[in-house]
Amino acid sequence: DTAVSQTPKYLVTQMGNDKSIKCEQNLGHDTMYWYKQDSKKFLKIMFSYNNKELIINETVPNRFSPKSPDKAHLNLHINSLELGDSAVYFCASSREGTGLTKNIQYFGAGTRLSVL
Amino acid sequence: QQQVKQSPQSLIVQKGGISIINCAYENTAFDYFPWYQQFPGKGPALLIAIRPDVSEKKEGRFTISFNKSAKQFSLHIMDSQPGDSATYFCAASRGRGAQKLVFGQGTRLTINP
Repeated sequence: DTAVSQTPKYLVTQMGNDKSIKCEQNLGHDTMYWYKQDSKKFLKIMFSYNNKELIINETVPNRFSPKSPDKAHLNLHINSLELGDSAVYFCASSREGTGLTKNIQYFGAGTRLSVL
Repeated sequence: QQQVKQSPQSLIVQKGGISIINCAYENTAFDYFPWYQQFPGKGPALLIAIRPDVSEKKEGRFTISFNKSAKQFSLHIMDSQPGDSATYFCAASRGRGAQKLVFGQGTRLTINP
């Protein structure tokens, strides 16, 4: 069983389109995240949800809107896609707790988005 | 503003050698320093992590050395193996609750057989 699963794995689309990426975790974690990895492999956090509540919202264009229907799912919707949105998007999750284990973020395999 | 700086960008080591990757951070409020390993086509996976109250943590062939006064930490991979070839990221975060991990730029490590 995949702990953090993202769909689709690849997404190729035209500029101006709207697309969604879905993420599900079966680890029972309370917190989920979206990261963007650019062409130089730099990883940057975009959003974080804890129990369906948005708690981290980095400087991301309004065209990006996360939605968490329940604490096991965090989807990312992108409106009016631009060339610069091409990247790999990773979903991750972590659990509340104490010590080093509470900080462990488990990542999905990523969604490679290509905007043409 | 790059809060976590990582070097080198790429590293080639012979099998059996020691791989060393360095990171420096700026924010003294950071209290958690993990290293993540990423293979091509996969997501990053936690390798080893340390808190600033210890100077070293070892797990198998992987060791984190931490220098709080210098605001630096490094990953040492002993007896490096071809299977260790991957991209390595240092990161840092602070506080409780959701952890906003700030990543370094990544190091592409190649272990030659």
